[in-house]
Amino acid sequence: NAGVTQTPKFQVLKTGQSMTLQCAQDMNHEYMSWYRQDPGMGLRLIHYSVGAGITDQGEVPNGYNVSRSTTEDFPLRLLSAAPSQTSVYFCATRSRDSKFYGYTFGSGTRLTVV
Amino acid sequence: GNSVTQMEGPVTLSEEAFLTINCTYTATGYPSLFWYVQYPGEGLQLLLKATKADDKGSNKGFEATYRKETTSFHLEKGSVQVSDSAVYFCALLLSSGSARQLTFGSGTQLTVLP
Repeated sequence: NAGVTQTPKFQVLKTGQSMTLQCAQDMNHEYMSWYRQDPGMGLRLIHYSVGAGITDQGEVPNGYNVSRSTTEDFPLRLLSAAPSQTSVYFCATRSRDSKFYGYTFGSGTRLTVV
Repeated sequence: GNSVTQMEGPVTLSEEAFLTINCTYTATGYPSLFWYVQYPGEGLQLLLKATKADDKGSNKGFEATYRKETTSFHLEKGSVQVSDSAVYFCALLLSSGSARQLTFGSGTQLTVLP
């Protein structure tokens, strides 16, 4: 019963490098989201998906790409890393039919861009 | 737009003290309200929720009442423990629209001293 699995847990990138943050869930949840957490700013929505093949932008989408080819996976791609993307990234999922709108969060990926 | 404002931290209390963390919101519509807790090095966990005005959410000795007239959802606990040390996030979720994504406050760091 893994829930939401994020990999890697830690990553250091050089400015200009690209990478993919992985998010996988085994709960068959339709909704998946990516948030970034920065000190004093709470969590801000980057991108989200309401089902396989459907994605949309959140509050802070610039510099990030997503795709949703399967229900289980929702990778977040950094195209050309910048120091401003140093943050902790969380993936969250929810069942569309959840009566209580309960989101399940992964344990996060701490990214440092130097 | 939608927003959540939390009292700024950090908050430091002695064990068995009374806790209040203020949360107010602005929303176009009738949101559901949540408190999430983040323990060190972990992802967010749902602490409690309220889905309509005058509802009281409660869990692990924490309580919060959905006050529509003051647009507030303050978190309270009568007697905190060292194990309550964490970051607490207030969040809202609108019931309309297909995306239904969470909007978070900036978080309040709580430290409880023995």
